[in-house]
Amino acid sequence: QSALTQPASVSGSPGQSITISCTGISSDIGAYNYVSWYQQHPGKAPKLMIYDVSNRPSGVSNRFSGSKSGNTASLTISGLQAEDEADYYCSSYSSTNTRVFGGGTNLTVL
Amino acid sequence: QVQLQQSGPGLVKPSQTLSLTCAISGDSVSRNSAAWNWIRQSPSRGLEWLGRTYYRSKWYNDYAVSVKSRVTINPDTSKNQFSLQLNSVTPEDTAMYYCARDQDYAYFFDYWGQGTLVTVSS
Repeated sequence: QSALTQPASVSGSPGQSITISCTGISSDIGAYNYVSWYQQHPGKAPKLMIYDVSNRPSGVSNRFSGSKSGNTASLTISGLQAEDEADYYCSSYSSTNTRVFGGGTNLTVL
Repeated sequence: QVQLQQSGPGLVKPSQTLSLTCAISGDSVSRNSAAWNWIRQSPSRGLEWLGRTYYRSKWYNDYAVSVKSRVTINPDTSKNQFSLQLNSVTPEDTAMYYCARDQDYAYFFDYWGQGTLVTVSS
């Protein structure tokens, strides 16, 4: 299974909104609404931020939202805060009951 | 609250077998609808799902194509834990290894272990 494609880096100023894209194929993102997003700060394990394309776990700020169109999913962070600076990874369920991750996007808050 | 506690050596010699264990608290390795995964992360490969084990009246495994010939993930019900074995390792297997949980119809990783950095070097 191939990795999902994400931009290597994005940046934004405090208070602004940014969107991170995650492109897959018809047998992963295009076929299932099982896209999840993870936030990872240096030296820490990934933390679940979005599941099933657009659902937030309890405790995750509503500044984080997700969507999907075709083979591409997106994570939007509104009202950027310094604490949002981290790496973000998308993941999808894939055919044959496997999982695939994106290459990760480094978010810089300017 | 589910907790996953990883253990295992941080240094493995080339051609040998990498072995890690993930001890589960707050859940059961044999609970129907739960699945227990191994994921690794390296600068060159990013996050890479390796495989999982799960119980649905009997034990099943799913493995990533990239490591299928070398990987084994086994449950240990007596200790409520599961393990990863990766054979014939090379320096390319140097990575941070994580265990994580997902569930039926909840195809996301909601709980993660703390990570174990494994270096393959002679």
